[in-house]
Amino acid sequence: DGGITQSPKYLFRKEGQNVTLSCEQNLNHDAMYWYRQDPGQGLRLIYYSQIVNDFQKGDIAEGYSVSREKKESFPLTVTSAQKNPTAFYLCASSHKGRRPNEKLFFGSGTQLSVL
Amino acid sequence: DAKTTQPNSMESNEEEPVHLPCNHSTISGTDYIHWYRQLPSQGPEYVIHGLTSNVNNRMASLAIAEDRKSSTLILHRATLRDAAVYYCIPHPGASYGKLTFGQGTILTVHP
Repeated sequence: DGGITQSPKYLFRKEGQNVTLSCEQNLNHDAMYWYRQDPGQGLRLIYYSQIVNDFQKGDIAEGYSVSREKKESFPLTVTSAQKNPTAFYLCASSHKGRRPNEKLFFGSGTQLSVL
Repeated sequence: DAKTTQPNSMESNEEEPVHLPCNHSTISGTDYIHWYRQLPSQGPEYVIHGLTSNVNNRMASLAIAEDRKSSTLILHRATLRDAAVYYCIPHPGASYGKLTFGQGTILTVHP
């Protein structure tokens, strides 16, 4: 079945440590996104990419970095500069990311906590 | 981006219809209206979208006001599996897929 796979489901970070969240899709979508969700809140966009080797900052990019070396993969690194990283992280994809009638497809998320 | 207003929470009984309202009075003429839902500890799931006309699919119906300043998501017969947070999202044409998710409406379904 086609879909988006996020791993791990749970992740713990120590002070000063960088951690990387994995996101893989086999939907052949060009566009991919990373969102952050805090408890009881909506989703906030961290980064997005419309094509391989290109990505753009979203609304809350500080303390995060991404890469898009392959169409299927869009890993997110939470750096030590992100002082409040505890949250639920969601990866999504869409066909081209350019039309207002496109659907977003989401993974099942990674819960990141600070030790 | 257009701002939306949704009730914080709503309740329904199983097998009854549910009407989830959304106000988006600042929506522009080319914005599609999307609805997503999110079950606990899951990623959001697409429900339905529309521009001007009412839309139906196997999950729900979307009724869009003639002036497009509001819309209503209709679940025809609620089930326990429909208990989720429902997000109403105007999708600007130039946003390149960057949907803005607000706090949504928490739907509780009673058996």
